[in-house]
Amino acid sequence: KQEVTQIPAALSVPEGENLVLNCSFTDSAIYNLQWFRQDPGKGLTSLLLIQSSQREQTSGRLNASLDKSSGRSTLYIAASQPGDSATYLCAVDGVETSGSRLTFGEGTQLTVNP
Amino acid sequence: DAGVIQSPRHEVTEMGQEVTLRCKPISGHDYLFWYRQTMMRGLELLIYFNNNVPIDDSGMPEDRFSAKMPNASFSTLKIQPSEPRDSAVYFCASSRLGQAFFGQGTRLTVV
Repeated sequence: KQEVTQIPAALSVPEGENLVLNCSFTDSAIYNLQWFRQDPGKGLTSLLLIQSSQREQTSGRLNASLDKSSGRSTLYIAASQPGDSATYLCAVDGVETSGSRLTFGEGTQLTVNP
Repeated sequence: DAGVIQSPRHEVTEMGQEVTLRCKPISGHDYLFWYRQTMMRGLELLIYFNNNVPIDDSGMPEDRFSAKMPNASFSTLKIQPSEPRDSAVYFCASSRLGQAFFGQGTRLTVV
C-alpha cells in the first residue's frame, strides 16, 4: 500500500526566504506526482505535475523535483511571499491505475510572515 | 471551463436524514473522484469512476454511502441515513492524462 509522508508538518518563514518542502513515498512504481495548494476553507489547486519519466517541473517561483528511485520529491519556493501561505499537499498516482488513484500526504502548513 | 463545480457548498442536516452531494466535472475529463477531508484522517479517496463506470469503491466507509455517475457531466454522492461522524468536507475531482482538478468542496455538518 502506497504511503506518502510530508516533512515538515508546519513551517514559518520570513518573507523573501527560499524554502523547500519535502515529500516521500514508499512505492516507487508511480505514474506521476502532483503538488497541490490548499487555502483555508477552499479546494485544492494543482500547482505542478511531474510525470514518472521527468525529473522536475517549473512554474514561476515554484520548482518541483522527482527522484523516483529514492521515493522523494521536493517543492522549492523562491523568494517567498505572504500570499504563499497555505497548506501544500503532495500526491502520487499509482502506475496500475494511471491517471486515477491519488494518494495524498498530510500536507505542510506554510506561513510566510511579512 | 468553469472548473469542477460542486453543490451545495454547505449543508447542515439532522442525523438520520438523506444527504445528496452533486458534482459537475470538467468537460472532457475521463476520471471522476470523490474524496473526504477531515482533520483526523486528512484526504481519503471514497470512490472513483472512469468513463462513468465505478472502478474502485473500497474507500466508501459503509453501505450508507453510495455514488452514481449517470453521464459524463454529472455525479452524486448520497449518504442515507447520515450520522454526525459523516461531518467533513467532501471534494469532487476530475482528471485527464493524470492531472487532477478539484472542486471547492461541500462542507457537511450532521447534527
